[in-house]
Amino acid sequence: DSGVTQTPKHLITATGQRVTLRCSPRSGDLSVYWYQQSLDQGLQFLIQYYNGEERAKGNILERFSAQQFPDLHSELNLSSLELGDSALYFCASSPRQGVVGYTFGSGTRLTVV
Amino acid sequence: AQTVTQSQPEMSVQEAETVTLSCTYDTSESDYYLFWYKQPPSRQMILVIRQEAYKQQNATENRFSVNFQKAAKSFSLKISDSQLGDAAMYFCAYRSARATNKLIFGTGTLLAVQP
Repeated sequence: DSGVTQTPKHLITATGQRVTLRCSPRSGDLSVYWYQQSLDQGLQFLIQYYNGEERAKGNILERFSAQQFPDLHSELNLSSLELGDSALYFCASSPRQGVVGYTFGSGTRLTVV
Repeated sequence: AQTVTQSQPEMSVQEAETVTLSCTYDTSESDYYLFWYKQPPSRQMILVIRQEAYKQQNATENRFSVNFQKAAKSFSLKISDSQLGDAAMYFCAYRSARATNKLIFGTGTLLAVQP
């Protein structure tokens, strides 16, 4: 157990639907990162939050949004889902800005049918 | 923009032998970090080893070591005494020391370990 908890582990939904992926960072970690791992795009950085504020944005679609709550957990919202959104979504956390390494959760496998 | 290239989609090694996975990267920065992550069938991303660009000495973690060639922008991973549990997808990753903490990943190398 890495200490980063992601729920649910698996999610199957239909095109056009909306889902929410949840991430609880390691105790004490202030930064949360979201990554998407798909067969055609590989591992792509989506977005980073630090202590509730958005810090960096990567290749995140406008249909996707995220937030980090006061208790530091984060949610990634995916809407108007398309078949191509099927992927493994990882959350990772780190203690603070500038700390080099971070810890990944075990991911949420999203399948859009 | 920085890029990371792993030119070996698949590799195979005999148990107890040594294997080297290749990684090259492109950057105009002088200060950065490089990582190797392991992703077994469980999907968990596990940090194997990391290298700070300002350090000339190659990083080592038990059976895992790197050959960091900064001028050549090369960062290979050597696994010695390979074990069945080493079978996994291995990703090379880059992180700028100046910008955000995001990691830029290569496409991965799938390592099979033959008994």
